[in-house]
Amino acid sequence: DVKVTQSSRYLVKRTGEKVFLECVQDMDHENMFWYRQDPGLGLRLIYFSYDVKMKEKGDIPEGYSVSREKKERFSLILESASTNQTSMYLCASSPGQGNGEKLFFGSGTQLSVL
Amino acid sequence: RKEVEQDPGPFNVPEGATVAFNCTYSNSASQSFFWYRQDCRKEPKLLMSVYSSGNEDGRFTAQLNRASQYISLLIRDSKLSDSATYLCVVNGPYNNNDMRFGAGTRLTVKP
Repeated sequence: DVKVTQSSRYLVKRTGEKVFLECVQDMDHENMFWYRQDPGLGLRLIYFSYDVKMKEKGDIPEGYSVSREKKERFSLILESASTNQTSMYLCASSPGQGNGEKLFFGSGTQLSVL
Repeated sequence: RKEVEQDPGPFNVPEGATVAFNCTYSNSASQSFFWYRQDCRKEPKLLMSVYSSGNEDGRFTAQLNRASQYISLLIRDSKLSDSATYLCVVNGPYNNNDMRFGAGTRLTVKP
């Protein structure tokens, strides 16, 4: 089965810190995604990548950047964390071989910015 | 307007009930439609894809109405284990694998 691993389950950071959230998938998937999930708002797409070094902005990219230097790893970077970035962050991947593919999610990282 | 909209619920139903959820989407060019299920404190998991002609998987039936841009999920003979949040998912503007989620509809099935 596909495994999508997020580096931390819980993370506490201070306002202004630079934060790295790491995601690794082990099935050679082309597509990788970062979402954040907040109560009442559901999952909102931050960025996605359909190939190494390629990225596309989602609905809410402000305050975030991403890096995809290797196919299996997709990093989300908060350049200067703010309290409104406290959220559950979910990474996902999909094969990229066809249309409308199933998403495979990691377990999520609950980030608290104090 | 949000890309994908769902009634947030909550829906509280007795075991054995039939319950239906609806979802509307804004991008008329969308081609891929899904229902995901998310249990409390867990990641979302695919429940079923939604096909143009409608499709069924056991107690679950999904339907698509392209003209009105809505998707539905019907659950028959509800079980306690069906309690979860159900997420409507539609592909976004970039390509058929750029997935956008609704906020979810919470279902609680009670004994």
